[in-house]
Amino acid sequence: DTAVSQTPKYLVTQMGNDKSIKCEQNLGHDTMYWYKQDSKKFLKIMFSYNNKELIINETVPNRFSPKSPDKAHLNLHINSLELGDSAVYFCASSQEPGGRETQYFGPGTRLLVL
Amino acid sequence: GENVEQHPSTLSVQEGDSAVIKCTYSDSASNYFPWYKQELGKGPQLIIDIRSNVGEKKDQRIAVTLNKTAKHFSLHITETQPEDSAVYFCAARTDSWGKLQFGAGTQVVVTP
Repeated sequence: DTAVSQTPKYLVTQMGNDKSIKCEQNLGHDTMYWYKQDSKKFLKIMFSYNNKELIINETVPNRFSPKSPDKAHLNLHINSLELGDSAVYFCASSQEPGGRETQYFGPGTRLLVL
Repeated sequence: GENVEQHPSTLSVQEGDSAVIKCTYSDSASNYFPWYKQELGKGPQLIIDIRSNVGEKKDQRIAVTLNKTAKHFSLHITETQPEDSAVYFCAARTDSWGKLQFGAGTQVVVTP
């Protein structure tokens, strides 16, 4: 019954590695987002997709590459991980862009880069 | 771009008292202002929102007020309970693509 799910929940890895985080929503929403929450709890949007099309692309290093195979899934691949990538990454979805509908957040993926 | 400031960063209240969190925004074109509650180890959850054509909205113990002229909005929680303890985020949306600019968050602690 989980609306927005993410895997894995925890990810511990070495600097320089490549990793992926997966997100799925079963709400039938058209729009999905990736947010980064740093150690001070600050939430910042990274990307947004609407019907598999990229619509928001914030100033994020190009080591981060989102991919949306269909509108229910939005994955985040990170190349050459750095210490500063350690954070909690949240996926979210909404019925449509423009935020007229509630954004529903997943439980988060806690990434620790050593 | 939009900038949202949120105060206070931490708030301790006795159970039963009221809690108020205030946010200011910079972009006068912002038209949607949600409030999210984040419990420990979980993702943020929407608790209430307000649109720019409304000055106040209430849902049981939670209320939000918006002053467009002053560009600030506030969250009011009455009769606080221990389960209200969490981090609360305000946000503002300007563009049509759903991009929310979040405040820095307020850690609310309700002591019995």
